[in-house]
This record gives sequence, C-alpha cells and structure tokens, in this order.
Amino acid sequence: DSGVTQTPKHLITATGQRVTLRCSPRSGDLSVYWYQQSLDQGLQFLIQYYNGEERAKGNILERFSAQQFPDLHSELNLSSLELGDSALYFCASSDQLAGELFFGEGSRLTVL
Amino acid sequence: DQQVKQNSPSLSVQEGRISILNCDYTNSMFDYFLWYKKYPAEGPTFLISISSIKDKNEDGRFTVFLNKSAKHLSLHIVPSQPGDSAVYFCAASAGRDDKIIFGKGTRLHILP
Repeated sequence: DSGVTQTPKHLITATGQRVTLRCSPRSGDLSVYWYQQSLDQGLQFLIQYYNGEERAKGNILERFSAQQFPDLHSELNLSSLELGDSALYFCASSDQLAGELFFGEGSRLTVL
Repeated sequence: DQQVKQNSPSLSVQEGRISILNCDYTNSMFDYFLWYKKYPAEGPTFLISISSIKDKNEDGRFTVFLNKSAKHLSLHIVPSQPGDSAVYFCAASAGRDDKIIFGKGTRLHILP
C-alpha cells in the first residue's frame, strides 16, 4: 500500500461526458502528479501540483483540468470525453518537488 | 518527442540468470534517473534511482548503471526471480525539482 488513494477505481462513461478523478496523496506529501497510461504507451505526464500551486504541465489536453485543494487532495477533470481518452489515470505524490514518487492504483476510465 | 526511450517492449530471461533492461534518453539536462516496477492492476512502485554524479548504484539484487556520454542507463537484476516478472519503467528528471518523464516500459518475463 503506497498510501496514495485514487477514486473511482473503474469508470465507464459515454463520449461527450465529463468525469472527475480524485486523488488523496500520502500523508504529508505536498506534490501531486497526474499521469495517463494508454494502450502501448508509457506513463504520459499530465500535470504536477505542489502545495496547491501548479508546478509543471505536460501533454495535458485543454479539455482536461486539475487542481489541488488546501487539504492537498487533487482532482483531475476530464470533459467532452472522446474514445481516445480511455486509459488508466495514475496519481502520484512526493514529499519533495520531485524525486521518488508514490503511485496510487490508478483509475481506469472507459469511454464508450 | 520521446525523451526517455525503452526500445525493448519485452524481455524473457531464465530464472537465476541476469536480466538487463536498457534505457536511452535524449535530454542532456536530465540528471536524475529512476526505475519503477509495475505489476498488473497496481500502480508503479519505486525500485532504484541514480544521480548523474554517479555511474552506478546498487540495492540488493538491483544495480543501475549510468553512461552519461552515451545518454544510456541500464538496470541489472541478479539473480532473476519469478517475482521479478513485471513491467519496468525508466524515468528521468532535470533536477530533483523537475517533472519526471517516463519511458514506455519493458515487460520482463522470468522463465522457470
């Protein structure tokens, strides 16, 4: 158990819909990262937050947004969903700006 | 643009032998490298890391070698055990406060 909690574990929805994925980092970790893993793709970095502030952005689509709340949990919002958004979305946390990341078990999103 | 490349999608090794997983990177600013291991239905877990000031780091059966001039690193597992069967991700960052970029992973099969 990494100490990082992601909900929901599985989510099935239709194209055009909007979903929210939630992440609770390890106790005390200030950094939260979001990664997307599609079929045959590695872990694609989406976005990083540190203590509530956006720290770095990767290949995150404009239809996607995220935030980190004062209690340090984070949410990833995916809107106008397309079939290609079907993927595993991982959240990770760290007690530093970078370094060793602790990953949650992921949220598997299926868009039909 | 894949900044971290793992060119072997899969690798099969006999139990007890050495497993060597390779990783190449293109960004010369990368100076911190990590390996993660992932089992099905779980999030990636940290395995071992190396800073660019070193060329080798050992932790039990796992050794990471870094060749900065070739922009290449490798993970050696000796001896390989059945529980080592997993997907291994190579990752890198440009400093400990930068985002971590992952490769696509190599699936390691340990054969009995």
